[in-house]
Amino acid sequence: DIQMTQSPSSLSASVGDRVTITCQASQGIANYLNWYQQKPGKAPRLLIYDASNLETGVPSRFSGSGSGTDFTFTISSLQPEDIATYYCQQYDSLFTFGPGTKVDFK
Amino acid sequence: QLQLQESGPGLVKPSETLSLTCTVSGGSISSTSYSWGWIRQPPGKGLEWIGSIFYSGSPYYNPSLKSRVTISVDTSKNQFSLRVGSVTAADTAVYYCARQDIVGGRFDYWGQGTLVTVSS
Repeated sequence: DIQMTQSPSSLSASVGDRVTITCQASQGIANYLNWYQQKPGKAPRLLIYDASNLETGVPSRFSGSGSGTDFTFTISSLQPEDIATYYCQQYDSLFTFGPGTKVDFK
Repeated sequence: QLQLQESGPGLVKPSETLSLTCTVSGGSISSTSYSWGWIRQPPGKGLEWIGSIFYSGSPYYNPSLKSRVTISVDTSKNQFSLRVGSVTAADTAVYYCARQDIVGGRFDYWGQGTLVTVSS
């Protein structure tokens, strides 16, 4: 089984801040990684696929990078509507989600 | 616009079987580009993939749940279904259905989710 870890588990930031979340796989997964945003009481929303591709309709302040075992998700300028929990998900071997990173306001 | 909607009982007794259906509208479940999946989220916790199925009826499951889970598809109704047997309180969760890209493994359309509570 491929295990996914994320850090930090939570963070507080201000509007306009640059926010970075990391995701690590227990073994190499090439670029087989997606990122989701989930707001309270809502279903997850796909933001980034294949590690770095922006899903249609997703604002360009969101970006992703990485390959192998280490991946990064970035919000270039945090907006109020970005308060949510973010999950990575690997699809190299079946499908596993990371534990999530909760982003809120400082 | 593709839409998915989960339906089924919100309360299931321990040791019984949880049954949910996902109805797909605005698109065909018979597309060769996608599979159809179930994901769950216990209250206050993270996401867990349960399993997925192709329109042709070939399912694949999370190994940790495989012995208790069955996923099936009904192309005539544009629906797919989930059954989880021998449930316990640990199966209490919001259950989501989602469309999954076959190549990319991404879940790009989701249902709103339905809370299933396991309790006597």
